Amino acid sequence: KAGVTQTPRYLIKTRGQQVTLSCSPISGHRSVSWYQQTPGQGLQFLFEYFSETQRNKGNFPGRFSGRQFSNSRSEMNVSTLELGDSALYLCASRVGGPSYEQYFGPGTRLTVT
Amino acid sequence: GESVGLHLPTLSVQEGDNSIINCAYSNSASDYFIWYKQESGKGPQFIIDIRSNMDKRQGQRVTVLLNKTVKHLSLQIAATQPGDSAVYFCAENLGGGADGLTFGKGTHLIIQP
Repeated sequence: KAGVTQTPRYLIKTRGQQVTLSCSPISGHRSVSWYQQTPGQGLQFLFEYFSETQRNKGNFPGRFSGRQFSNSRSEMNVSTLELGDSALYLCASRVGGPSYEQYFGPGTRLTVT
Repeated sequence: GESVGLHLPTLSVQEGDNSIINCAYSNSASDYFIWYKQESGKGPQFIIDIRSNMDKRQGQRVTVLLNKTVKHLSLQIAATQPGDSAVYFCAENLGGGADGLTFGKGTHLIIQP
């Protein structure tokens, strides 16, 4: 079974631009979560989608948004990029039940200049 | 501050020895705990999980211990191998699919030959 895939793997953007990242979960997984990883703050939860609905949300500004499609694929969008948004953005999928056994993709490395 | 934290940022062990990585958590309502391993350039890899109604769980070469009295979690790796070199994160969740995972900062495990 293929793992979680994320595209693109690397991205360089300019401050003020917006960016869209994509995640394809493991087949059969209906829940997709997004995390931001930085050296200073570590891994921080952004939001979770299940069956095309945002189920949980972390403590991030409204510039960070996401969506999930009927095939469980998910995208996250960051508008009006700031230098501090430079990070590794990780997507994780799980079946969607009470277990939080989730599997991560390799991440998208976003650099904002 | 973070509700989940690790005691040591770096742990160096001899190949073949046992490794113990510690984690403290502060949310007594947390119901579910996970250990992840992250190698350079990769996303976190699920190692083992434990629910709050258990105090010990074993996997292949790994054991997780949970002490709810002192809100402490540990990961024991038996007969440490070079491939165990990575950053190890503990994470907690309130259970029931709520609020994503809260991760600790991570411990870098270094294996000495």
